[in-house]
Amino acid sequence: GQNIDQPTEMTATEGAIVQINCTYQTSGFNGLFWYQQHAGEAPTFLSYNVLDGLEEKGRFSSFLSRSKGYSYLLLKELQMKDSASYLCAVRDNDYKLSFGAGTTVTVRA
Amino acid sequence: IAGITQAPTSQILAAGRRMTLRCTQDMRHNAMYWYRQDLGLGLRLIHYSNTAGTTGKGEVPDGYSVSRANTDDFPLTLASAVPSQTSVYFCASSEGDYNEQFFGPGTRLTVL
Repeated sequence: GQNIDQPTEMTATEGAIVQINCTYQTSGFNGLFWYQQHAGEAPTFLSYNVLDGLEEKGRFSSFLSRSKGYSYLLLKELQMKDSASYLCAVRDNDYKLSFGAGTTVTVRA
Repeated sequence: IAGITQAPTSQILAAGRRMTLRCTQDMRHNAMYWYRQDLGLGLRLIHYSNTAGTTGKGEVPDGYSVSRANTDDFPLTLASAVPSQTSVYFCASSEGDYNEQFFGPGTRLTVL
């Protein structure tokens, strides 16, 4: 099975940086995904890591350490529209995703 | 291009009734999935289909059934709804099971 942990809530100020951590204990690993979900909407794909290291995509970056079972999503230059839930998901060897409960980020002016 | 559509948007259902949630994608994706999302638990996989004609069980399949007669459609059926099936249901698809998943807008189901 999969055990995926991420903080429940985080609050940050507009223009700041926030780092959302995700730790996982899994029976198999075949990549880690981050999704963004605004309230009442569908999750949308943000990033994917399968090898150790940092993947950068504009204001968002994602990091993976497979040996530590650890990932983080870094959101820079926060904007009000970044207020959302961020979901960490691990893909197992059968290519199925297991999701964490999500981290709700609130951006304050 | 619509992507993935789900119907209905929301539904209130009496316990014991049969209900089918519809999901259609126009991206010609091979793989499709059904998840339920409950507060504090995140998304949990109910059933999946890697390609038309095949289906598999996810983490929480009991009380649900699916079929995949063609590439585009992946309906989810609750044979006899129970209150614990109150949830938001998301359908998703991916080009292959190795690719990122695209999610539909969801169906909010309440079973009384």
